[in-house]
Amino acid sequence: GQQLNQSPQSMFIQEGEDVSMNCTSSSIFNTWLWYKQEPGEGPVLLIALYKAGELTSNGRLTAQFGITRKDSFLNISASIPSDVGIYFCAGQKGAGGTSYGKLTFGQGTILTVHP
Amino acid sequence: GAVVSQHPSRVICKSGTSVKIECRSLDFQATTMFWYRQFPKKSLMLMATSNEGSKATYEQGVEKDKFLINHASLTLSTLTVTSAHPEDSSFYICSATGTGGQGANVLTFGAGSRLTVL
Repeated sequence: GQQLNQSPQSMFIQEGEDVSMNCTSSSIFNTWLWYKQEPGEGPVLLIALYKAGELTSNGRLTAQFGITRKDSFLNISASIPSDVGIYFCAGQKGAGGTSYGKLTFGQGTILTVHP
Repeated sequence: GAVVSQHPSRVICKSGTSVKIECRSLDFQATTMFWYRQFPKKSLMLMATSNEGSKATYEQGVEKDKFLINHASLTLSTLTVTSAHPEDSSFYICSATGTGGQGANVLTFGAGSRLTVL
């Protein structure tokens, strides 16, 4: 099935550094979501974006919904060791109804933070 | 907030046996549940969409006879991997959304179930 193109695949950074990752798609998504997954767990929602151009923050996390609706980025500022995990972008095609919850995921970005 | 529970969290079985994984919404009525499959350090791939009281809708390439999905109640969906083989070993994750209470217009993921087929 279709996947979103997420990059980078992995990042090794020092504590305190900022992190940026992004997702692109060849088709339009009406909702963009960013999740974090830790080993042996399900993904946990970090930020949800519903409008093209929207910029949303959640603590040290900031994400934007691209104006073309085909891309999104996630920034993490001043990283800390507990930021370690796999970050996934996910897109939802429809605005709701029967398409609600049916997500297409990116390949993930593995983040390692060295103290 | 909305809570989704998966059971078992880990299961090991012999090749040729069938394994059932449960996905339960604990504090809301899950009208729709989704089943994903994830290989190590890979993306989540949607397998099927399950609506309460109706047949599941499978994604292209997913064998419906191999992965049986039942959503008989508003709080429970089950995924049965029939005649499991080593290549079915994977991490299976469900998500749920529903109406009313904590689950209204909220998509919640379970913690996943790791299946190992020997």
